[in-house]
Amino acid sequence: EDQVTQSPEALRLQEGESSSLNCSYTVSGLRGLFWYRQDPGKGPEFLFTLYSAGEEKEKERLKATLTKKESFLHITAPKPEDSATYLCAVQLTLYNQGGKLIFGQGTELSVKP
Amino acid sequence: DADVTQTPRNRITKTGKRIMLECSQTKGHDRMYWYRQDPGLGLRLIYYSFDVKDINKGEISDGYSVSRQAQAKFSLSLESAIPNQTALYFCATSDWTETNQPQHFGDGTRLSIL
Repeated sequence: EDQVTQSPEALRLQEGESSSLNCSYTVSGLRGLFWYRQDPGKGPEFLFTLYSAGEEKEKERLKATLTKKESFLHITAPKPEDSATYLCAVQLTLYNQGGKLIFGQGTELSVKP
Repeated sequence: DADVTQTPRNRITKTGKRIMLECSQTKGHDRMYWYRQDPGLGLRLIYYSFDVKDINKGEISDGYSVSRQAQAKFSLSLESAIPNQTALYFCATSDWTETNQPQHFGDGTRLSIL
């Protein structure tokens, strides 16, 4: 069964305290892995797409990496405005899946000043 | 203006009522999706549509139906609402290309069924 698991469920950091969020996956074939940010009362906002093991993407204080079994979202020197829920999703290679995404449960990040 | 607009943003209704949630997009994307989000369960796919003539069930379609009225409009109906359909509902769109574009989400409809 295709499955995506994120850890930890919640993470509390002090401003400037770097850390990583994990997304592990077990799927029949990976077409792409997506990271989203979700603020309260809002829909998920796209951050990154990763396609193959070894790939890395960066945006401001965020860096996403991908291996054959998991992805990490590294947050360097976070600020309170980075507080949000971070969602990971995988897209399967099967054409008849129509671009469907399988989401993890999310990691709720809180950054205190 | 938002690229993906959902209406209503909030809805409270009673068990047994018929409810329609609407989604419209200005992104020009062919593919549209309906998800529900529950605490601890993440986002789960209800239905998706490749184009106006193509509708497909997702993993949790029981109790729901959809209509793709135009390329830009995709509505979700609950024919007879029940309390365990209380959730946050999201519409998303994507442009299917070889480089595999991400899905773009609306801001959701919070639905409560009493």
